[in-house]
Amino acid sequence: EVQLVESGGGLVQPGGSLRLSCAASGFSFSSFWVTWVRQGPGRGLEWVASIKEDGSDKYYVDSVKGRFTISRDNAKKSLYLQMNSLRAEDTAVYYCARGRSGDSWGQGTLVIVSS
Amino acid sequence: DAVMTQSPLSLPVTLGQPASISCRSSQSLVSGDGNTYLNWFLQRPGQSPRRLIYKVSNRDSGVPDRFSGSGSGTDFTLEISGVEAEDVGFYYCMQHAYRPYTFGQGTKLEIK
Repeated sequence: EVQLVESGGGLVQPGGSLRLSCAASGFSFSSFWVTWVRQGPGRGLEWVASIKEDGSDKYYVDSVKGRFTISRDNAKKSLYLQMNSLRAEDTAVYYCARGRSGDSWGQGTLVIVSS
Repeated sequence: DAVMTQSPLSLPVTLGQPASISCRSSQSLVSGDGNTYLNWFLQRPGQSPRRLIYKVSNRDSGVPDRFSGSGSGTDFTLEISGVEAEDVGFYYCMQHAYRPYTFGQGTKLEIK
């Protein structure tokens, strides 16, 4: 069974940093793109970033370019999102998803950016 | 960016009746490889999104056959042949033909 488990969310002040993790199991992690998607409070879904199987290609939505970094460790079957210079508008539940089209999703981790 | 516009945004449906959601893209979603990368997701209350349909009309494993997807180019439709109680939630279309990948605003399906 495919499982994706996010962690690392929490309360952080504006301008602060946070690192999210996603632990994968039940499939060959190194054979898939993986993606971060977020959902602000009471809002719809927003694609944030995706990373290729071997980490050689990474894509970001404009609003996080230069502030967020997606990375992966295939040996640990883990996906990461380093978030710097956080803003109030980054407050959201962050989901990791398998593939660029999101055929499986984790339960999400909540990030709150507030003073 | 490819802007995805769904309609209606609210969809009250009687149990057992059909339902239809439209999704229109500001650009053709036919990719250079000939595939059309349009997906449909359902997010039930309190749950993560779940993909129902990929590449316009392909049902994911375990998705009931009352769900069907159709369309081409810029116009797409998700149809439910007979709504059941477990179908309530928000439905989102999403394109991954162009970066940034984009979602529709969501359609809330509720039982009348």
